[in-house]
Amino acid sequence: RKEVEQDPGPFNVPEGATVAFNCTYSNSASQSFFWYRQDCRKEPKLLMSVYSSGNEDGRFTAQLNRASQYISLLIRDSKLSDSATYLCVVNSRGGTSYGKLTFGQGTILTVHP
Amino acid sequence: DTAVSQTPKYLVTQMGNDKSIKCEQNLGHDTMYWYKQDSKKFLKIMFSYNNKELIINETVPNRFSPKSPDKAHLNLHINSLELGDSAVYFCASSFQMGQGEKLFFGSGTQLSVL
Repeated sequence: RKEVEQDPGPFNVPEGATVAFNCTYSNSASQSFFWYRQDCRKEPKLLMSVYSSGNEDGRFTAQLNRASQYISLLIRDSKLSDSATYLCVVNSRGGTSYGKLTFGQGTILTVHP
Repeated sequence: DTAVSQTPKYLVTQMGNDKSIKCEQNLGHDTMYWYKQDSKKFLKIMFSYNNKELIINETVPNRFSPKSPDKAHLNLHINSLELGDSAVYFCASSFQMGQGEKLFFGSGTQLSVL
């Protein structure tokens, strides 16, 4: 089982749609969780951290379910500019995993007019 | 000003050659990393350095040798390049390690081994 798994998609949605991505992680000792965004042929950039209580940043909402070991990202009112690959990222601590960020394969989102 | 800069952006070379990729950050961060993104888009950590000290060394062939002359620089030297080394290599930095900190990435080096 991969350490961090995501549905690679692609998700093709019209502008204005609501879309959700899920991600599962295998290491129950994982401490920190993030969503990064990567545009085509560009470097990844932090979109948002994911907190236990869930958190929102504008049209983006992130949720964490520790019991089931999954993270979600909800995008409301999709814009054309949201088209990108969304990377689920987990930071594990302890032993040889200290400080190591593990990236999922990414979920491709395409928003069309 | 570019926060994390890596050079070159593109590198095309023959099998068996030796090449280097340079990385510099002007953010005052303590920790720097090298990541490899393969054709399937998986980003995998290769190395990380904290204040010039090697902290993480994943299962990477010893043909890959990182060097950190100071905490603002982390270079990657690759000996005897192989076809399978073709990928995009990203340098990154963070303020601290293991604190759930934000990673700042360079724009990547596309390495093509022919």
